[in-house]
Formats: sequence, structure tokens, C-alpha cells
Amino acid sequence: RKEVEQDPGPFNVPEGATVAFNCTYSNSASQSFFWYRQDCRKEPKLLMSVYSSGNEDGRFTAQLNRASQYISLLIRDSKLSDSATYLCVVNTAYSGAGSYQLTFGKGTKLSVIP
Amino acid sequence: GAGVSQSPSNKVTEKGKDVELRCDPISGHTALYWYRQSLGQGLEFLIYFQGNSAPDKSGLPSDRFSAERTGGSVSTLTIQRTQQEDSAVYLCASSSRFSRGPRSNNTQYFGPGTRLTVL
Repeated sequence: RKEVEQDPGPFNVPEGATVAFNCTYSNSASQSFFWYRQDCRKEPKLLMSVYSSGNEDGRFTAQLNRASQYISLLIRDSKLSDSATYLCVVNTAYSGAGSYQLTFGKGTKLSVIP
Repeated sequence: GAGVSQSPSNKVTEKGKDVELRCDPISGHTALYWYRQSLGQGLEFLIYFQGNSAPDKSGLPSDRFSAERTGGSVSTLTIQRTQQEDSAVYLCASSSRFSRGPRSNNTQYFGPGTRLTVL
């Protein structure tokens, strides 16, 4: 099982639609979770952190289910400017030596259509 | 203020040549990371620097890859005897403080990347 897995996409949705992205992670000891956004041929940028209680930032809602090792991102009222690749990111342990690093999923591409 | 900068933005080289990629992190950021992203793939961790500590080189794919960070600021990633499979976008990121550990929540700020093409 890959460390961080995401819906492969692409998601093509009309403006104003609600779209949800899912992500699963394999390391049950992971404690920190994030969604990054990457525009075409650009660098990734932090969209939002994901907290256990779930958190909302405007049209974006992130949720975490530790029991299922599952993270989600919901975008309401999609805008053309939301078109990008959304990367699920998990802080994971590696090398069995108490070291941690961010592990990035391959991303889900979203295209919002006029 | 200025973000993370990288140079060159594009590099085309012939197989077998050495290349150097440069990263200038955000001023005051003590942590610096190198990643690479192949076409259609996720980010692959390469190496991590934190202050004066020994770098974490666990992600370097082979001994042809090395990196330095001089004076705790600028970093250079060197790829010797480049191969076609080295073609990718090499991204540098920095963060403001020690960002390892299970509960780390420090944002990583990425540079625009260097697109390396090995012919």
C-alpha cells in the first residue's frame, strides 16, 4: 500500500459545483496532515492544514478520520480559479528511527468548466 | 518579502554532464528541503538541512546526487554524470523552524523549481 493515496482524477466540474477529494494514508502514527495546491507548471503552495476536529476556510472544508486513516477536502461553489492539482500531504515516520518527513500524494487534478 | 528563489529556471544538459542547481531560501528560515517531481508524479523527498545539524540524505536516489548548504543559507544540489531518468523538476522548500517530529505543522514554502532535461 502506498504511503499516501489519492483519487487519480481528473475531476471536471461546472462552475458552482461542490467537489470532494479523498486521500488515505498508511502510517497510523502520522500526526500532521495538509492539503497543498499546485497550479500547472508552478510550485506547490499550502492550502490548509487538517485538524482532527475538521476545519473550514471559506469555501474549503478539510476533515480527518483517524480510525479510517482518511482525509478529505470539500470545495463548495467551485470557481474557475480553483482549477489546479490538489496534493494530500502527510507527516510520516520513516527509517524506523523516529524521523519524520512530509510525504506527498500524487495529487488530484481539478478542472472547473465555465 | 522575497520568497524562495531557484536558479536556473530551466536547464538542458547532455547525458553524462554534471549540473548544479541553486536554492536561496527565505531569509531566516533554518530548514531547507530538496524534492524532485517527475512528469505526472508526486513530490519525491531528496535531502533536508536543519541549521548546523548533519543533513538528512536518506532520499537521495544514488551517489551521483549531493547537496551542500553554505552558511546556513544558500544550497546547491549537484548531480554528477546525469542520466535521462534524472529529468524532472527539482523543487526547493524552506520553513521557519525545526519541522521534524510527528506533530510538525510548519508550512514549507516552495521555490518555482528548476526544470532539468537530460538529453
